[in-house]
Amino acid sequence: QQPVQSPQAVILREGEDAVINCSSSKALYSVHWYRQKHGEAPVFLMILLKGGEQKGHEKISASFNEKKQQSSLYLTASQLSYSGTYFCGTERVEAAGNKLTFGGGTRVLVKP
Amino acid sequence: DGGITQSPKYLFRKEGQNVTLSCEQNLNHDAMYWYRQDPGQGLRLIYYSQIVNDFQKGDIAEGYSVSREKKESFPLTVTSAQKNPTAFYLCASSMGLGSYEQYFGPGTRLTVT
Repeated sequence: QQPVQSPQAVILREGEDAVINCSSSKALYSVHWYRQKHGEAPVFLMILLKGGEQKGHEKISASFNEKKQQSSLYLTASQLSYSGTYFCGTERVEAAGNKLTFGGGTRVLVKP
Repeated sequence: DGGITQSPKYLFRKEGQNVTLSCEQNLNHDAMYWYRQDPGQGLRLIYYSQIVNDFQKGDIAEGYSVSREKKESFPLTVTSAQKNPTAFYLCASSMGLGSYEQYFGPGTRLTVT
């Protein structure tokens, strides 16, 4: 039930772009994206509620393809501050109340 | 400042002892969660609560217990029945279940030897 993230890790030079994918085998209600710096708590980036909807946070944007049960996070013109581990959280409708299931994370390292 | 506090930051215990991790929030959030994170791993849900005096098991509840007697507080007890308790524990809260941003506390790193 855990969503699958790819790639597991990526190394970028400052200014380069990257895409992180999140796929689920279950129908999704929404997708959340969080970033965690080493030794710190995860920080919310964005929620995507509708199929095909795109949202943005600084130069970080995301899309959600409801039919394919996939979401992608786009890091554009990456900055050093973008380094960290990115997690997607997929929301499913359940009788006891919707909850998130997080993927294994994608480690991003942006070098000067 | 509104936020979530977890204490202590580091906790050491001997095997066979129960230990309780504290989580307090002053965001007036209804929903609270406990996650476990192992090195290089994602977040796995232990327990969650959407209202006072009610809570639900998450994906890895065995060996853990919680209580929700107050809206602000959601303590987690790691019992001796938890076979591999050493991990980083994160508490979070949100306005409600599902499609709401979750706010995370700073975490407690538990080491059991």
